[in-house]
Amino acid sequence: EPEVTQTPSHQVTQMGQEVILRCVPISNHLYFYWYRQILGQKVEFLVSFYNNEISEKSEIFDDQFSVERPDGSNFTLKIRSTKLEDSAMYFCASSVGGRQPQHFGDGTRLSIL
Amino acid sequence: AQTVTQSQPEMSVQEAETVTLSCTYDTSENNYYLFWYKQPPSRQMILVIRQEAYKQQNATENRFSVNFQKAAKSFSLKISDSQLGDTAMYFCAFEGWGGADGLTFGKGTHLIIQP
Repeated sequence: EPEVTQTPSHQVTQMGQEVILRCVPISNHLYFYWYRQILGQKVEFLVSFYNNEISEKSEIFDDQFSVERPDGSNFTLKIRSTKLEDSAMYFCASSVGGRQPQHFGDGTRLSIL
Repeated sequence: AQTVTQSQPEMSVQEAETVTLSCTYDTSENNYYLFWYKQPPSRQMILVIRQEAYKQQNATENRFSVNFQKAAKSFSLKISDSQLGDTAMYFCAFEGWGGADGLTFGKGTHLIIQP
């Protein structure tokens, strides 16, 4: 069964550095999402992406964050000037269309030191 | 804005028992989607079941079924014949009709199946 894949599984970064989290959505999916889960808390929506542009974003997704689909397969989340509170599990998801179930990757655990 | 509330932080049942996880939500929309996701210790998010609000029939997937009460804005998950592998965090989630909406999750219920 096709899967959403995320790399790396664990990223450790010094505070203030930039980090790029990578995702390969399921190949025929057209909608892409990023979510964040701080340890012990609920999963929070960050951003959705369709047709090479952001469709929706939450209040969390400020100027520190950006997303990109640099080629036909990858979908990336860039976090600039990382802060301690950016430490979390970041999940990528994709869906074949709007109003279709979102399939999640295994997540990238981001640790900011 | 939508909110999703799961009032049971943790539940524990014996293997083979039936367990029901509660979820309530608040929205002003008439059409939307509701989901239950499972997150085992490996931390991947697995879709368990999906309900479309315009369908009156409750969704069922093998041992998993929901009790969807639209007027009460309630969406509970029933797990029958529970198995050790059902041990996980269970998240209730809401998605609006917009088409590219992010999911709004509840805080989750930690379900423990005892042998």
